Amino acid sequence: EDKVVQSPLSLVVHEGDTVTLNCSYEVTNFRSLLWYKQEKKAPTFLFMLTSSGIEKKSGRLSSILDKKELFSILNITATQTGDSAVYLCALMDSNYQLIWGAGTKLIIKP
Amino acid sequence: GAVVSQHPSRVICKSGTSVKIECRSLDFQATTMFWYRQFPKQSLMLMATSNEGSKATYEQGVEKDKFLINHASLTLSTLTVTSAHPEDSSFYICSAPDRGSALYEQYFGPGTRLTVT
Repeated sequence: EDKVVQSPLSLVVHEGDTVTLNCSYEVTNFRSLLWYKQEKKAPTFLFMLTSSGIEKKSGRLSSILDKKELFSILNITATQTGDSAVYLCALMDSNYQLIWGAGTKLIIKP
Repeated sequence: GAVVSQHPSRVICKSGTSVKIECRSLDFQATTMFWYRQFPKQSLMLMATSNEGSKATYEQGVEKDKFLINHASLTLSTLTVTSAHPEDSSFYICSAPDRGSALYEQYFGPGTRLTVT
C-alpha cells in the first residue's frame, strides 16, 4: 500500500533556527514528490522533486530527494514567524493522484 | 502560474439541504480534477477523482450518492453535497494537474468551508 510518513508531527523552534522536516514514502508508481505549505487555507506549492540528489532551492527553503532510501527532506534556514504553518509532503503517482503525509506542524517563536 | 478557483469560499446551510461547490481551472484545461476534504488539524483526504466526460472515481468509504460530482467541461467540475448533515461540515478543496506543463504540477483551489447547522 502506498504511504507517506512525515516526521516530526510537530516542531517548535525559535526565530533564526534552522529546521529539517522529513518525509519517507512507499509507492508503487512514483511520478514525483511534492512539498506544500498550508496555513489557514488550501496548500501552496513549494517544491516538486523527481530526481535523486538534486537540491531544489527557493530563498531560505531547500529540499532534496533520495529515491534509493525513499525519503525527502525540507530545510528552512533562518526561520521567521511567517514560516509557522503545516508542511505537507505528498507523492504523485502515475495517475496524478496525490498521496498525502499527515504533515508537520511548525511553530516559530519570536 | 496556473490558477484554480473555487466558489463559494464559505457556505452555511441547514441540515437536509444540498450545496454545490464549483471548481474552475482558469487558464488551462483540466481533464482530471481531484476533490479533497480536510477536517480540522488533519491532512487532506482524497474523496474522488473527477474525469471530464465520464463518471467520477470515488475513494473507498465516500458515498457517491451523497457527494455528486459532475465534470461537464474541461474547465469546470462541481461537487454537490446532498442532504447535508452537520458531520459534513469540513473544508473542501479541489485540485487540477496541468498536463500541458512539463512539471504536471497540481494546482489547488482556495477551498470552500462548509458549515452545516
